[in-house]
Order: sequence, then structure tokens, then C-alpha cells
Amino acid sequence: DAKTTQPPSMDCAEGRAANLPCNHSTISGNEYVYWYRQIHSQGPQYIIHGLKNNETNEMASLIITEDRKSSTLILPHATLRDTAVYYCIVRPPISSGSARQLTFGSGTQLTVLP
Amino acid sequence: DSGVTQTPKHLITATGQRVTLRCSPRSGDLSVYWYQQSLDQGLQFLIQYYNGEERAKGNILERFSAQQFPDLHSELNLSSLELGDSALYFCASSVSGIPLGPQNEQFFGPGTRLTVL
Repeated sequence: DAKTTQPPSMDCAEGRAANLPCNHSTISGNEYVYWYRQIHSQGPQYIIHGLKNNETNEMASLIITEDRKSSTLILPHATLRDTAVYYCIVRPPISSGSARQLTFGSGTQLTVLP
Repeated sequence: DSGVTQTPKHLITATGQRVTLRCSPRSGDLSVYWYQQSLDQGLQFLIQYYNGEERAKGNILERFSAQQFPDLHSELNLSSLELGDSALYFCASSVSGIPLGPQNEQFFGPGTRLTVL
């Protein structure tokens, strides 16, 4: 799986947008970008994933650059409950009959400040 | 609530002992994954089972073993425990075999915190 690079920590004011960057310069053409987060010692939680196009769901938006070498996770209106470690993961498509394990890096500790 | 349950929540034991961690996947999920999270190693994949069969192995020690039963629940057995085995152990489940989508992602349980004294 392609390696990802994330800043170790970021702060964001409550109510503002949190923009979390991720570099994945060695990503292959069929590899997806996934984001998970882990709120203090809880189990990781899936947020969003994408291949080429920007994606949006009820939790966040994912912006992937045209060359796919980097991406940004956007939490549009961060709340205190969004304080967590955010993991950017690159992985190949899931083949029929099997799902692949997740390879977690160090992630970004996002702290939302009141 | 992810729908994945893990027991026990906390476990304290001594070096050299053996413990069993249990995981019940979400209803309908065929795949079960085990991950270990320690302070110095981060979240690491241990092993995956799919419909009762071992499917993938990660950094799992020989002292550790797992199995998935016909009712799809899984157990992780840790033996000859060492101080360094103290960690959070997470189980995750997913459906598998269906095209990509949020419903197919891995859903994590609350974890079991193992302390080896």
C-alpha cells in the first residue's frame, strides 16, 4: 500500500472548517484514499473515501488533487467532538470475496478549541 | 455504536498467563479483523478471518492465535503474556464481497484494554 504523510498535529477553532492534508505521492492509479478517525482510545471510525473525484457525505468532504498525489479532508464546521486522531490511508480496491486490512500511519491529532 | 461487540472491556493479568478476547461482528458481516494498538507501535493489523477461514496475517506473534466460529464470532488467544503485550485490542468487521461503499467499510468495536503486570 502507498505511504502517506500527515502533519502530526493541528488546531482548529470550534465552528470553523478543519482542513487536514495528506500526501500520497506514490499512489497507484487504482488505489483509493480513505479517511478514518479515532476519538481517544475508541475504535477507529470510517469517515469517507474517494478515488479521483471530490466526495462529500454527512461527515466531511474529501478533495483529491488532479494528480492524486495529495488530498484534504474538510470538516466544514468543526465541533469539540471532532477532536480526534485522523488517519489518511491509501489502499487498493476491495476484491470480491475479501476485504483488505487497514494500514494505519501516525495520523494527525486534530484539536478543536472552544 | 458500531454494532461490533468486544468482551471483556478491561483485562488485567500477569506475565506468563493466557487470555482470550472475544468479538461479535455486526449482523451479516463475514469478515473479522484484529488490530493491536500500543503506545509505541500505533494501530497494527494482526489477522483477518473471512467466513471461518484465515484470510490475511499481519504482525501477529506466534504466541497469539485466533479463530472464527460458525456463528461468525471470533476469539483472539494470547499466551505466555509479556509486559509488552499490554495494549488495546480492537476487533473490526465488514461485509466483504460487495462493491465499495460506506456500508462495506470496517466497523470497529470498543476494544479490550489488556494490562499485563
